[in-house]
Amino acid sequence: SQTIHQWPATLVQPVGSPLSLECTVEGTSNPNLYWYRQAAGRGLQLLFYSVGIGQISSEVPQNLSASRPQDRQFILSSKKLLLSDSGFYLCAWRGRDSGPLDTGELFFGEGSRLTVL
Amino acid sequence: DAKTTQPNSMESNEEEPVHLPCNHSTISGTDYIHWYRQLPSQGPEYVIHGLTSNVNNRMASLAIAEDRKSSTLILHRATLRDAAVYYCILRGPSYNQGGKLIFGQGTELSVKP
Repeated sequence: SQTIHQWPATLVQPVGSPLSLECTVEGTSNPNLYWYRQAAGRGLQLLFYSVGIGQISSEVPQNLSASRPQDRQFILSSKKLLLSDSGFYLCAWRGRDSGPLDTGELFFGEGSRLTVL
Repeated sequence: DAKTTQPNSMESNEEEPVHLPCNHSTISGTDYIHWYRQLPSQGPEYVIHGLTSNVNNRMASLAIAEDRKSSTLILHRATLRDAAVYYCILRGPSYNQGGKLIFGQGTELSVKP
C-alpha cells in the first residue's frame, strides 16, 4: 500500500536560518507531489507542485523553494526564514489519472509545524 | 479556477444529520465537486466527489443541484469524531494533466454531545 512521510514533524527556527522539509512517498511511482501551507486559522495555500523529477511549478512568489531530486522525494527549502514562514506545512501526493473512475484523491502527510522566532 | 463559497462555521448535535452547503455558481461543465475534511492537527482527507448525480459512500452523501451551482455534503448521523473543517473544492479538467487542487477556507463543523 502507499504511504507518505514528512519530517520533521515539529521545528522551531530563528529568523534568517535555513529550512529543509522532506517528504517521501512509498508504494507508488511517478506521483504528482504537492506542498501546501496552512497559516494560523484555516485555509490551505498551495505552494508548489511537481509532475515529475526536476519539474516544479510555483504557485505564489515567496521565500521558499522546492525540489524533486528523485521520483518519490519532494523537498521544501528556504535559505533564510522569515517570521511569516511560520505555519503548518503539508505534503501531498496523487496518482496519475487512470480513467473516468479515478477519484483523483489527494493523500496528505502528517504535516510539519514550523515556528519561526 | 472556479471558486466555492461555504459558511464559516456550523454546529450540530451528535447523532443528528448534518447538511453542509457549498455554492459554486461559476462551475464549468467539466468541473468535479470534491469534498475533503481536516481533523485538528492532521492533513485533509478525501470524503467524496461527484459530477452531476448524487453520490453515496460509507462516509457521506453528496447532493448536487440540478444546475450544479450548489451542492450539499450530508453526514447522516454526526459523531464527535466528525468535528472538523470541511472543504468543498472544484476540480477542473487540467487536474488530470498535472493540475492542482485549490482549497478555500472551509466550514468548521462542531458537534455537541
